[in-house]
Amino acid sequence: GAVVSQHPSRVICKSGTSVKIECRSLDFQATTMFWYRQFPKQSLMLMATSNEGSKATYEQGVEKDKFLINHASLTLSTLTVTSAHPEDSSFYICSALDRGSYNEQFFGPGTRLTVL
Amino acid sequence: GEDVEQSLFLSVREGDSSVINCTYTDSSSTYLYWYKQEPGAGLQLLTYIFSNMDMKQDQRLTVLLNKKDKHLSLRIADTQTGDSAIYFCAENNNAGNMLTFGGGTRLMVKP
Repeated sequence: GAVVSQHPSRVICKSGTSVKIECRSLDFQATTMFWYRQFPKQSLMLMATSNEGSKATYEQGVEKDKFLINHASLTLSTLTVTSAHPEDSSFYICSALDRGSYNEQFFGPGTRLTVL
Repeated sequence: GEDVEQSLFLSVREGDSSVINCTYTDSSSTYLYWYKQEPGAGLQLLTYIFSNMDMKQDQRLTVLLNKKDKHLSLRIADTQTGDSAIYFCAENNNAGNMLTFGGGTRLMVKP
């Protein structure tokens, strides 16, 4: 199947700093990518839909100024957590939609963010 | 909005069959999925079923769909310790291909 990578896999940062997470589709083009957040022992919550060349669509309750999403190319979407706080610590997972594969979503391995 | 529910926990002995259940509310779902998540990892698609099917078998995995009752199940035959993980069901709600996930079922396989 198609491969989606995320970088970094783990990041620890201080409160108040910004962290950028990259999501790449390695062998297919993805006009649409999704960003999910997963709290410990909980399910995945969709944060936003990232569309190449246009603004992301954020789910209710997700601050767009805090979680900046940029989908600059057909293979890359980035999520920047700005002015991070300890409550932003979580597991962030992206997925990429492969329209050439029955619109299947392929998931990245996730990024563990810890804010001190 | 859409709602997908699963039981939280299932414990089985190695070699037994596991059945993980899921209910959903969105009758317009086209695809329903089962994902596996191992500790600290992302999601691995195990199998999916189109909404006009009632059963799909793939090696040790059997998916049953009761569309009338909006009930989906995943049966793992001859469960192994390597099957221990969290299993999420998800449905495609047709709105921009977004997935709605259930809360996940933690499967523990005892040797």
